[in-house]
Amino acid sequence: DQQVKQNSPSLSVQEGRISILNCDYTNSMFDYFLWYKKYPAEGPTFLISISSIKDKNEDGRFTVFLNKSAKHLSLHIVPSQPGDSAVYFCAASAPRDDKIIFGKGTRLHILP
Amino acid sequence: EADIYQTPRYLVIGTGKKITLECSQTMGHDKMYWYQQDPGMELHLIHYSYGVNSTEKGDLSSESTVSRIRTEHFPLTLESARPSHTSQYLCASSDRGSWANVLTFGAGSRLTVL
Repeated sequence: DQQVKQNSPSLSVQEGRISILNCDYTNSMFDYFLWYKKYPAEGPTFLISISSIKDKNEDGRFTVFLNKSAKHLSLHIVPSQPGDSAVYFCAASAPRDDKIIFGKGTRLHILP
Repeated sequence: EADIYQTPRYLVIGTGKKITLECSQTMGHDKMYWYQQDPGMELHLIHYSYGVNSTEKGDLSSESTVSRIRTEHFPLTLESARPSHTSQYLCASSDRGSWANVLTFGAGSRLTVL
């Protein structure tokens, strides 16, 4: 059973607008959440993360919001740029567990 | 700047062949991982290692094996490849001291078994 769910396989957003990528999780033990970005023919690269003691973390154009009661997190990209077109993976880990659990990813298309 | 290297990037082989996917990292990371990913699917952990002479199986059952004789090297071997092994294999590493457990990934090895 999937512990990290990204229910939107793809998303198209106009350049300059806000992109919002969503992620849900089922394991209440998860205490650290990460977003990775992946271009074709490359490995995923770390984008931004958030600890469960926070509800928001911001890094430039990227902000991650965490709603623990809903077991939901989202990644906001504003303004969206053509180089943001990629697959975005949500991932989570539990305390003292070296395994990172990934979602299926959401393919983001930034339209000109 | 790439600190984790995977070879080969692409491999097409016939059924029954033995293959080894190489993974090396120059960051001195203790922890290393192998993930398997099919298009549109999540990354599945198949093997990981805490350090030299340490290997563990991941959540997804795999017929592959790994070894960790040196800190920087974590090769994955398939003794007899089958079409069901066709997939992308991603190697990653992280620093044991990193509480965030952020992974650094290689570019991946795409394996096709005919």
